[in-house]
Amino acid sequence: AQKITQTQPGMFVQEKEAVTLDCTYDTSDQSYGLFWYKQPSSGEMIFLIYQGSYDEQNATEGRYSLNFQKARKSANLVISASQLGDSAMYFCAMREGLDDKIIFGKGTRLHILP
Amino acid sequence: ETGVTQTPRHLVMGMTNKKSLKCEQHLGHNAMYWYKQSAKKPLELMFVYSLEERVENNSVPSRFSPECPNSSHLFLHLHTLQPEDSALYLCASSQEYPDSGANVLTFGAGSRLTVL
Repeated sequence: AQKITQTQPGMFVQEKEAVTLDCTYDTSDQSYGLFWYKQPSSGEMIFLIYQGSYDEQNATEGRYSLNFQKARKSANLVISASQLGDSAMYFCAMREGLDDKIIFGKGTRLHILP
Repeated sequence: ETGVTQTPRHLVMGMTNKKSLKCEQHLGHNAMYWYKQSAKKPLELMFVYSLEERVENNSVPSRFSPECPNSSHLFLHLHTLQPEDSALYLCASSQEYPDSGANVLTFGAGSRLTVL
């Protein structure tokens, strides 16, 4: 079974609109961490935001926020006021317990339209 | 520049060749990783080194052989590869803080491997 599920293979969004990228996860651990990474066409993976399972507040980093719904095992990424430079692949990832492994989802390709 | 440097950026090799991918990090991190990224598949974790000791070998075929001589360098030695091994190989490093769990990966730009 997949540990990280990203159901949207691709999305098209108008510039300046907000966009939500979905991510659900599967774990039986009480302690875990959730990450979002961005991968532009140049190939490098860029860390965006982190949410720990015990964090009570949703994480925010500039235009990025993580909508963490623990009971639903959901960790959606919200990008406010999208920009053309936001066009990229976005990956949701999870670390279980204190494990060294970080497991990634299949990604969502986001296209921002001018 | 992320602080994690991978060379070469592109590599084409035949199935009988032996080559190596190199990764170097200048961040003072104590863990390093190899991931494989193939088209339409999630990133696959291959190897994890923590404090220069291999802590994870994710059922990777023996034609891939990692080496971590020190905490700043990581190699992936390749021999007798198959065409299906063609992929983007990403190196990453992280600083482990066991109590917080927020060991954020910093990635290199990747090495694009094509096996003919």
